[in-house]
Amino acid sequence: NAGVTQTPKFQVLKTGQSMTLQCAQDMNHNSMYWYRQDPGMGLRLIYYSASEGTTDKGEVPNGYNVSRLNKREFSLRLESAAPSQTSVYFCASIWLRGQETQYFGPGTRLLVL
Amino acid sequence: GESVGLHLPTLSVQEGDNSIINCAYSNSASDYFIWYKQESGKGPQFIIDIRSNMDKRQGQRVTVLLNKTVKHLSLQIAATQPGDSAVYFCAEKGGANNLFFGTGTRLTVIP
Repeated sequence: NAGVTQTPKFQVLKTGQSMTLQCAQDMNHNSMYWYRQDPGMGLRLIYYSASEGTTDKGEVPNGYNVSRLNKREFSLRLESAAPSQTSVYFCASIWLRGQETQYFGPGTRLLVL
Repeated sequence: GESVGLHLPTLSVQEGDNSIINCAYSNSASDYFIWYKQESGKGPQFIIDIRSNMDKRQGQRVTVLLNKTVKHLSLQIAATQPGDSAVYFCAEKGGANNLFFGTGTRLTVIP
């Protein structure tokens, strides 16, 4: 049972490049989340998926898109990366939307030059 | 909107002492709070949670206190150990069951 896994661990992009961050969980959780964490700040919600087939915007969705590929996988895409998207990205999941304890992956560190 | 903040960005304690990390929240309607621990290079790890119908909840070496009157939350760690060194976040449940995180407090345990 690996919990929540994320790939890649590190990535450097040039402004304007695109990339997809991958997240998978093997806990049979229904809801999945993408957060970003900037220095000196807490985590901010980008997008979430309450259940397979649904996605919703969070606090800071601009510049991102998501895909809930299946129950296990939730990907985050940057179509045209900007330096302001330099951050650490965390994926999280919970079993049921009514249960609030979120389990986090190890994070992806992204640097946009 | 909601805001979750912390009184102190850093806290240093002697090994064996008790630690108290504080958090303020602004939404009086919030009914669920969580404390997370984040070690360097890792994702946040759940420590303990509390619902608004409770004032206190205890776990293993940790206690969370909730004061709804002043909208204040605290995390107490008993007999702090070097392995407790990390950044601690409080999080508040917002609408749609999403969480709003504070900026974090860095706890350093001095051996």
